[in-house]
Amino acid sequence: NAGVIQTPRHKVTGKGQEATLWCEPISGHSAVFWYRQTIVQGLEFLTYFRNQAPIDDSGMPKERFSAQMPNQSHSTLKIQSTQPQDSAVYLCASSPPRGSVAETLYFGSGTRLTVL
Amino acid sequence: QQQVRQSPQSLTVWEGETAILNCSYEDSTFDYFPWYHQFPGESPALLIAIRPVSNKKEDGRFTIFFNKREKKFSLHIADSQPGDSATYFCAASEGSNNRIFFGDGTQLVVKP
Repeated sequence: NAGVIQTPRHKVTGKGQEATLWCEPISGHSAVFWYRQTIVQGLEFLTYFRNQAPIDDSGMPKERFSAQMPNQSHSTLKIQSTQPQDSAVYLCASSPPRGSVAETLYFGSGTRLTVL
Repeated sequence: QQQVRQSPQSLTVWEGETAILNCSYEDSTFDYFPWYHQFPGESPALLIAIRPVSNKKEDGRFTIFFNKREKKFSLHIADSQPGDSATYFCAASEGSNNRIFFGDGTQLVVKP
C-alpha cells in the first residue's frame, strides 16, 4: 500500500500562472479531501468528494480554485491566476468507505506551492 | 465561526511530565473526535479518536477525556518523551456529513 500519492512535491509558479495539483487516493477509499496548510491559517478545509461526487466545496475560494475527480484513482486541484497568498502546502487525504475504519483521514505528503 | 477551538497554541513540558492539550467545539451534532499529530516535515496522522458514547479513551500513554455537556475534550500525554514533540490537532466531525473540522493546532515541545 503506497498511501496517498501527491504530485508534484514542490511547485513554483509566477504570479498569474496556473497550477494543477494531483492526488491519487489509497485504493478502495471512497472519499478524497483537499486541505491547505499555512502557518498563519493552519489546516484549512477546501473540498471533498465521496464516490467521485463533489460533496462539500464550501472551503474553496470561488473564483480561481476548482477541483475534480474524474475517476476513483485520482483527483486534481487547479488554481488559475495564482497569487502569492496561494502559497501553501496543499494536502490531499483519503478515507475508507463509511462504516469501516471510522472516518480516519490518510494524508499524502502534500504539494508545496510557492507563488513568486 | 470556528467550529473547533484548541489551546494552548504552544506548550513546553519536561520529559516525564503529563502534557494536557485542550479542545472545545460548537456543533452539538458532532459525534467523532480525533486527534492528529504532525511531525516537522511530515503530514498529519491519526493518533487517537473518541466517540461520545464514552468519556474516556486510552491508548498507551495517550488518553482522551471527553465532556459532552461542556462540549470539551482533551488529550493527555503521560510520561512525555522528546519524541512526542510535534504539532497536535484536535478535530470533530458529524456522521452524516463526514467533513472534519480541525483546530488550529498545539505545538508541543518536550524537553529532555
